[in-house]
Amino acid sequence: QKEVEQDPGPLSVPEGAIVSLNCTYSNSAFQYFMWYRQYSRKGPELLMYTYSSGNKEDGRFTAQVDKSSKYISLFIRDSQPSDSASYLCAFSGTYKYIFGTGTRLKVLA
Amino acid sequence: DAGVIQSPRHEVTEMGQEVTLRCKPISGHNSLFWYRQTMMRGLELLIYFNNNVPIDDSGMPEDRFSAKMPNASFSTLKIQPSEPRDSAVYFCASSLSQYNEQFFGPGTRLTVL
Repeated sequence: QKEVEQDPGPLSVPEGAIVSLNCTYSNSAFQYFMWYRQYSRKGPELLMYTYSSGNKEDGRFTAQVDKSSKYISLFIRDSQPSDSASYLCAFSGTYKYIFGTGTRLKVLA
Repeated sequence: DAGVIQSPRHEVTEMGQEVTLRCKPISGHNSLFWYRQTMMRGLELLIYFNNNVPIDDSGMPEDRFSAKMPNASFSTLKIQPSEPRDSAVYFCASSLSQYNEQFFGPGTRLTVL
């Protein structure tokens, strides 16, 4: 079993749609749960960060963590064409980040 | 601050040649990470430095890969000899400490023919 599983997509949605991105993980030692956004030909940038189960909201973005099910989600409300990018989930217990392979999202105008 | 700086941005070389990738971390950051990104395997940690000292190189694929950090503002990743399967995007990232957010550079796209 892979340590992190993420659907690679691609996922195409119309502008204004709610987007749901998901990852599952197997390592119970993970304490920090992150979402990175990566635009084409750019480096990843941190979007959301949390260390507890539950929801964390930042503008149009909501990160959800369910430690009991080993499942995390990122919701994007009112999606915009500028949200078109790859979204990588990331996990860590120490310095070492374990990344998902990324989900490619395209928001159509 | 200019962020993490990497050079070159693109590198095309022939199998067997030596390749050197360069990274300048954000000033004041004590931790530096080298990653490799491919479609099949995603983003993988190659090596981690803390205060210029290599702490974890378990991700370095084989002896053909080596990394150095001679000072706090410069690091290199060297591949010698290069092989076509080394083709990937190589990212450098830095953070204030090992527990802080990692900031990524723009990457070096390496193609080995």
